[in-house]
Amino acid sequence: DQQVKQNSPSLSVQEGRISILNCDYTNSMFDYFLWYKKYPAEGPTFLISISSIKDKNEDGRFTVFLNKSAKHLSLHIVPSQPGDSAVYFCAARQINDYKLSFGAGTTVTVRA
Amino acid sequence: DGGITQSPKYLFRKEGQNVTLSCEQNLNHDAMYWYRQDPGQGLRLIYYSQIVNDFQKGDIAEGYSVSREKKESFPLTVTSAQKNPTAFYLCASSIGRGSKNIQYFGAGTRLSVL
Repeated sequence: DQQVKQNSPSLSVQEGRISILNCDYTNSMFDYFLWYKKYPAEGPTFLISISSIKDKNEDGRFTVFLNKSAKHLSLHIVPSQPGDSAVYFCAARQINDYKLSFGAGTTVTVRA
Repeated sequence: DGGITQSPKYLFRKEGQNVTLSCEQNLNHDAMYWYRQDPGQGLRLIYYSQIVNDFQKGDIAEGYSVSREKKESFPLTVTSAQKNPTAFYLCASSIGRGSKNIQYFGAGTRLSVL
């Protein structure tokens, strides 16, 4: 049973515009959320995280928004750059747990 | 420089054969993890270890085995009991629990069946 869902398998955006990636979760015990970025044939790299005590966390061009009541989070990338073309995974866990639950990923393609 | 090293990058398994994937980290992390990625799916946890000489099953442990004899090393054996081993395998490590528990990943091993 998949507890973290990324319902959009792909997203195409023009360079310089905003990319918005969405993620939903079903487990109300999750209180820590992460986004990872993955290039082909490489391991995922950590991008940004947010705990449930916040509703927004920003790091440079990347902002994560959390809506706990809707069990929904989103990642905004502004402005999108060609190097942002990758697969983005949403992940979640209970803050004191070791185990991460991952979504299936969203492939972002940034067009020149 | 510090990081997680997985080897080999590509591995081929014959029917009935056990194969072992290597994972070494020099980040001084206590916890280590093995994941499997299949096309169009997220990462699924196979095994994880919080500390040396201790490990727990993840969501898809059947057909796999691990050991954690050293802090730096967490090898994964794909046994002949794993009937569908073709996948991309990722090893990760993290410093521990709480908000600092960010998992860092190796570059992966792609396993194929001959």
